[in-house]
Amino acid sequence: GAVVSQHPSRVICKSGTSVKIECRSLDFQATTMFWYRQFPKQSLMLMATSNEGSKATYEQGVEKDKFLINHASLTLSTLTVTSAHPEDSSFYICSARDFRGNTEAFFGQGTRLTVV
Amino acid sequence: AQTVTQSQPEMSVQEAETVTLSCTYDTSESDYYLFWYKQPPSRQMILVIRQEAYKQQNATENRFSVNFQKAAKSFSLKISDSQLGDAAMYFCAYRILYSGAGSYQLTFGKGTKLSVIP
Repeated sequence: GAVVSQHPSRVICKSGTSVKIECRSLDFQATTMFWYRQFPKQSLMLMATSNEGSKATYEQGVEKDKFLINHASLTLSTLTVTSAHPEDSSFYICSARDFRGNTEAFFGQGTRLTVV
Repeated sequence: AQTVTQSQPEMSVQEAETVTLSCTYDTSESDYYLFWYKQPPSRQMILVIRQEAYKQQNATENRFSVNFQKAAKSFSLKISDSQLGDAAMYFCAYRILYSGAGSYQLTFGKGTKLSVIP
């Protein structure tokens, strides 16, 4: 199946700093990528939908200025957590869809963010 | 808005036995997809099985099968001959059918943690 690579898998950052998470589709072009957040022992909550070349669509309650999403190419989307606080600590997962056909989105491995 | 409900936070099964995980959903749409995803300790989301709502036949993938009851809005997953590697969180998910970038958004249930007892 198609591969979606998410990097880094784990990151620890200091409170107040920014951290960038990358999501790459390795063997297909992805017009649409999705960013999810997963709290411990909970489900995946959609944060935003990212379309190549246009602004991301954020879900209600997700701060656009805190979670900056850029989808500059058909193979790369980035999520930047700005001015991170301990409450931003979570597991972030991306998924990407191959625009060529009616296939499901493939998930990245996830990123464990810890803000200290 | 669509909702997905998994009423069993945890389940356990003996190795080689069969277990059924429950899922109900609510939607006003007539065309949609339903999924079961597996999330092992590695946290990688793995698609287990997919069911198109317009198909009456229940989907099957090797040891995994579903019981799709559209009128009841029920979508259960049956795992036969359970193996130790089946231990994971299982999420039921829904998305609408029509085309468009937003149509591939998934709505997830809260998950069921499955333990397999040797």
